[in-house]
Amino acid sequence: AQTVTQSQPEMSVQEAETVTLSCTYDTSESDYYLFWYKQPPSRQMILVIRQEAYKQQNATENRFSVNFQKAAKSFSLKISDSQLGDAAMYFCAYFNAGGTSYGKLTFGQGTILTVHP
Amino acid sequence: DSGVTQTPKHLITATGQRVTLRCSPRSGDLSVYWYQQSLDQGLQFLIQYYNGEERAKGNILERFSAQQFPDLHSELNLSSLELGDSALYFCASTGADFITDTQYFGPGTRLTVL
Repeated sequence: AQTVTQSQPEMSVQEAETVTLSCTYDTSESDYYLFWYKQPPSRQMILVIRQEAYKQQNATENRFSVNFQKAAKSFSLKISDSQLGDAAMYFCAYFNAGGTSYGKLTFGQGTILTVHP
Repeated sequence: DSGVTQTPKHLITATGQRVTLRCSPRSGDLSVYWYQQSLDQGLQFLIQYYNGEERAKGNILERFSAQQFPDLHSELNLSSLELGDSALYFCASTGADFITDTQYFGPGTRLTVL
């Protein structure tokens, strides 16, 4: 079974600084997708960024970028120029695109990010 | 706003009762997923429907059931409720290609069982 691990229960960053959230996953599949979702105090789950495993290039969305290390099964999220609105719980998630276990997102336990003004 | 709607936003009920949570996917989306978020279990996949048919099943209790209707909205039925069923229940939807499409989440229904 696939597992996703976020080893940092909490992180903090100063406004305008850069922070990196860690995520590792375990899978024997070769075709999969990885995601970072953000959950602010409103509890809404908001997609931050997505990475296809077959792509070597790291995904980027404005101030958000990932460092995808497929061999190491690592998928970290870098937030540049942090803003107060970035404060939230961040979830790393895995989606298997093949085999028999497709159809579901497997989530890590989440990292609470605090942004200090 | 993701385009996925869920009702009600909040639900408070007693143990042993039955409730129904409703989800309307984004316009044009065929696939609906249900997830449960609780303090002790985190975010867990419950079940997926695609165009009216059950497609994948996760850690869904036998007391729980779901269905997707011809208009593609979905309902999650929770019966014989226990205190431990208190959680945030999310619905997500994707388009025709649920393998490559990203799941977009609704705002969730917060269930409190007293």
